[in-house]
Amino acid sequence: AQSVTQPDIHITVSEGASLELRCNYSYGATPYLFWYVQSPGQGLQLLLKYFSGDTLVQGIKGFEAEFKRSQSSFNLRKPSVHWSDAAEYFCAVGATGGSYIPTFGRGTSLIVHP
Amino acid sequence: DAGVIQSPRHEVTEMGQEVTLRCKPISGHDYLFWYRQTMMRGLELLIYFNNNVPIDDSGMPEDRFSAKMPNASFSTLKIQPSEPRDSAVYFCASSFSSGSGTGELFFGEGSRLTVL
Repeated sequence: AQSVTQPDIHITVSEGASLELRCNYSYGATPYLFWYVQSPGQGLQLLLKYFSGDTLVQGIKGFEAEFKRSQSSFNLRKPSVHWSDAAEYFCAVGATGGSYIPTFGRGTSLIVHP
Repeated sequence: DAGVIQSPRHEVTEMGQEVTLRCKPISGHDYLFWYRQTMMRGLELLIYFNNNVPIDDSGMPEDRFSAKMPNASFSTLKIQPSEPRDSAVYFCASSFSSGSGTGELFFGEGSRLTVL
């Protein structure tokens, strides 16, 4: 069974600073990988996803993530954080082939200081 | 195109009362998921349906919880009787399966349940 670890519960950055949120997964083959964002009082929204091909994927709102098979990681990055990026971020992994159900990490809460 | 629609957005009830949460998935989606989110346990998958059929309900915490999907456009999650520890935000999500499995999940805005 697949699993996801987001080692950071909270991350605090200053507006304009760069951001990297960590995600490590466990799965025997190449997984499907996702990052979702949850703004306060809202549901989760997909930021980006990796299925195959280029290991650097671009998402909405200026986010990108890089799939590193050797490190079983799929870290989320943004070069310059805006105050509106303050939210909860979830990494998820799904098995490839056939029907799968994504497994979500515990989430990382991003706090942005002005 | 409307997204996943959940109702009610907020529900406050007293212990022992029955609670029914409702979800309308995106038209054409064949998977429907019910999640529960709490500070302590994070996001938990309770149950999911494929083509209106419950596939895995191993995440349903107790027999007090039940879920149905009578048709492709409607699902309910019922708690009877409710307890204070059921207080949480309940999310419904839907997805469309491609040939190799489901892809992106589309979430509703959630139903915040408070049981006093």
